[in-house]
Amino acid sequence: AQKVTQAQTEISVVEKEDVTLDCVYETRDTTYYLFWYKQPPSGELVFLIRRNSFDEQNEISGRYSWNFQKSTSSFNFTITASQVVDSAVYFCALSEAGNNNDMRFGAGTRLTVKP
Amino acid sequence: DAGVIQSPRHEVTEMGQEVTLRCKPISGHDYLFWYRQTMMRGLELLIYFNNNVPIDDSGMPEDRFSAKMPNASFSTLKIQPSEPRDSAVYFCASSFGGNGQPQHFGDGTRLSIL
Repeated sequence: AQKVTQAQTEISVVEKEDVTLDCVYETRDTTYYLFWYKQPPSGELVFLIRRNSFDEQNEISGRYSWNFQKSTSSFNFTITASQVVDSAVYFCALSEAGNNNDMRFGAGTRLTVKP
Repeated sequence: DAGVIQSPRHEVTEMGQEVTLRCKPISGHDYLFWYRQTMMRGLELLIYFNNNVPIDDSGMPEDRFSAKMPNASFSTLKIQPSEPRDSAVYFCASSFGGNGQPQHFGDGTRLSIL
C-alpha cells in the first residue's frame, strides 16, 4: 500500500533562511504521481506541484524548488529566502496509477517563518 | 476562473441533527472528491465520483454518511444523524481527468457538532 512520510512535524525559521521540507514515500507501482500542497492559516489547500515517476528532473519555481530522487524515494521541497507569507502547513501526497484516485497525504509539516 | 465552491464555510449544530455540505466543482472537471481533515487522522478520502457516478466510497466512515452528485456541477455530503466525533473540516476537490491529475480544493467546511 502506498504511504507518505513527512517526518518533520514542525519547523521554525527566521525570515530569509532557506528551509527544506522532507517527504519520503513508499509504493510498489512503477507509475505514480507525487504532489505538494500548501495549507495557509486561512485553511484552504493550494496545489503547488505534481511530478510523475518517470520525470526525475528537479524543478524550480521562483523561491520554490523540488528535488525528486527515486533512489531514496524522496520528493523534498526547498524554500529559498523564506518569507513570513510562507508560513503554512505543507503536505506531500502520492497517487498510484494502479490505485484509481486514492491520493494519500502525508501528515504535513507546519512551517513557521518568523520576521 | 472560479475555483471549487463549498458551502457553508462554517456549520455548528447539535448532535442528532442532519447536516448537508455542498460543493460546486470547477466547470469541466469530471472527478469530484470529498475529504475529511482532523488532527488525529489528517486528510482522508471519503468518496469520489467520476462523471457524477460514485466510484469508491470505501472511505465513508459509517452509514450515517452519504454523498450524491445529481449533476456535473453539484454534489452534497450528508450526515444523518450527526455526532460530535464528526466534527472536522470537510473538503471538496475536483480534477480534470483521473489518476495523476492535480486535485483542486475548495476552502472547506468547518463542521462542529455539539
